[in-house]
Amino acid sequence: GENVEQHPSTLSVQEGDSAVIKCTYSDSASNYFPWYKQELGKGPQLIIDIRSNVGEKKDQRIAVTLNKTAKHFSLHITETQPEDSAVYFCAAAPGTGRRALTFGSGTRLQVQP
Amino acid sequence: GAGVSQSPSNKVTEKGKDVELRCDPISGHTALYWYRQSLGQGLEFLIYFQGNSAPDKSGLPSDRFSAERTGGSVSTLTIQRTQQEDSAVYLCASSLGQSYTFGSGTRLTVV
Repeated sequence: GENVEQHPSTLSVQEGDSAVIKCTYSDSASNYFPWYKQELGKGPQLIIDIRSNVGEKKDQRIAVTLNKTAKHFSLHITETQPEDSAVYFCAAAPGTGRRALTFGSGTRLQVQP
Repeated sequence: GAGVSQSPSNKVTEKGKDVELRCDPISGHTALYWYRQSLGQGLEFLIYFQGNSAPDKSGLPSDRFSAERTGGSVSTLTIQRTQQEDSAVYLCASSLGQSYTFGSGTRLTVV
């Protein structure tokens, strides 16, 4: 089955700096790659996603890049703010078989004011 | 409703008791998923429903875990004879396509 690895597990940046979180996946048939943000005591919330026919997608301060050949994708947050502090999860959806997303182990991002 | 609703939000139970966790998905969402999140860990897949059927229940950790969905809507996750290792946050999500909407979860503590 699909295996998703996520790095780093923790990341601390100064307010205004950029943050990058990286994930790799194992199933070359995977075709959908979302990113979720989880704040304390809440469920994960979708912040951006990308499909396998696209290499990059941006939404204001957030961008995601996908390298299908290398089977890795990354989340980029620019001009970080304290409210960006949360746990971020990447995920991959299989192209066939099981429909459920496989999640990475999460990255705890702390933005220091 | 406007979002995915899970109840109870918190549940403390004694080891050996049975518990039922409920999920109310977004109206019209045909797919429903249960995940488990242990303290500080990632999301572990448990079971997936499409309508009322469960094409994939491969993530259920043991036969003490079961789930059902009725009317293509509400789902119940049942854990029998709870053990301390069952302590976790149980998250439910629903979707129409590939994008999930999660509930806030049920925090289960087995003492």
